[in-house]
Amino acid sequence: EAGVTQFPSHSVIEKGQTVTLRCDPISGHDNLYWYRRVMGKEIKFLLHFVKESKQDESGMPNNRFLAERTGGTYSTLKVQPAELEDSGVYFCASNQQGAGEQYFGPGTRLTVT
Amino acid sequence: GNSVTQMEGPVTLSEEAFLTINCTYTATGYPSLFWYVQYPGEGLQLLLKATKADDKGSNKGFEATYRKETTSFHLEKGSVQVSDSAVYFCALINAGNNRKLIWGLGTSLAVNP
Repeated sequence: EAGVTQFPSHSVIEKGQTVTLRCDPISGHDNLYWYRRVMGKEIKFLLHFVKESKQDESGMPNNRFLAERTGGTYSTLKVQPAELEDSGVYFCASNQQGAGEQYFGPGTRLTVT
Repeated sequence: GNSVTQMEGPVTLSEEAFLTINCTYTATGYPSLFWYVQYPGEGLQLLLKATKADDKGSNKGFEATYRKETTSFHLEKGSVQVSDSAVYFCALINAGNNRKLIWGLGTSLAVNP
């Protein structure tokens, strides 16, 4: 069974540009989570989808971030326009309803210059 | 609010040394506690977990006991190997937090032969 995959693995963009990160959860997992780790700080929750619905988006930093999960399968996280402080590693995780463990992807390292 | 405090690294040990990584938490209610590990170049993996007081999680020679009286979940291993070199994260889920993980800063461990 394939695990959680994320694309790209690394993205380098200039301030003001747009970047879209993609996450493919494990097949059949209704829950999908996005987290971010900024260098030197703890991993922070961004948002949680249940199927295609946003269950909790309390961690989204501001309106430059837009997450979607059309059809309840893969998810995208768009940053527009990117700022320097958006640099970090973005992790995606998924699990089934009622499950405790979240399964993580390898992360996307975003560098904004 | 909910938070996790984890001892700062980096930690450098010789092979076969004893490892302790301290983790304490603040939470309302009765959280589930986790240790995740990130090996170089890989994603986050669940190492072990405990869901109620006095539970002991164990995996790959690592152990951690859920201590409600001291609000702690310290990670221990009796004899580390070079292959244990990784970053270790302590985390919690509180039932009131809609399943989002709250993380510690992470502790980098390097084991030398």
